[in-house]
Amino acid sequence: NAGVTQTPKFQVLKTGQSMTLQCAQDMNHEYMSWYRQDPGMGLRLIHYSVGAGITDQGEVPNGYNVSRSTTEDFPLRLLSAAPSQTSVYFCASSRGDANTEAFFGQGTRLTVV
Amino acid sequence: DQQVKQNSPSLSVQEGRISILNCDYTNSMFDYFLWYKKYPAEGPTFLISISSIKDKNEDGRFTVFLNKSAKHLSLHIVPSQPGDSAVYFCAASALGSDKLIFGTGTRLQVFP
Repeated sequence: NAGVTQTPKFQVLKTGQSMTLQCAQDMNHEYMSWYRQDPGMGLRLIHYSVGAGITDQGEVPNGYNVSRSTTEDFPLRLLSAAPSQTSVYFCASSRGDANTEAFFGQGTRLTVV
Repeated sequence: DQQVKQNSPSLSVQEGRISILNCDYTNSMFDYFLWYKKYPAEGPTFLISISSIKDKNEDGRFTVFLNKSAKHLSLHIVPSQPGDSAVYFCAASALGSDKLIFGTGTRLQVFP
């Protein structure tokens, strides 16, 4: 059982570079989301999706794009990386909506220099 | 503006005693609350939840209490075990919203 898989686990970017954080789930979950974890800030919602073809903004969406072309995949794109985007990123999926138990990936630690 | 707050960044408890983790929220539209546990270098895992129509939910050693009038919930762990040492996040969502909002987390350390 793979669950929620995030790649890469670690990444260092230079300011201005772009990259895509991958997230895939094999549980046929409709709801998927991206969070970032920063010291003293907890987990903050970046973007979420309630199903293929549907995405919406969370609490801190600026500087990030998402798409949901399939049920399984929910990539997060950094358009032009900034040091403020240095963080640990978590992808999550759940069977139903935000109230349903969410399964998280192991995280991607991103450093922007 | 932090809608879900965990005002204690850390808590240290002796093994066998009770651990009480607190969470306050400001949005009166929140009607469902969840607790997640996170070990270092791992993603959070679901622990227990409660709907606003209840004031208590129990699962083994874990009990969550909800006080709607005070906009406050707490997680009780009895008895505490060293394996409970982790960061605990509370989270909340509002009826009709697809957003799950997390608090800042409380690091629990259970010592022998």
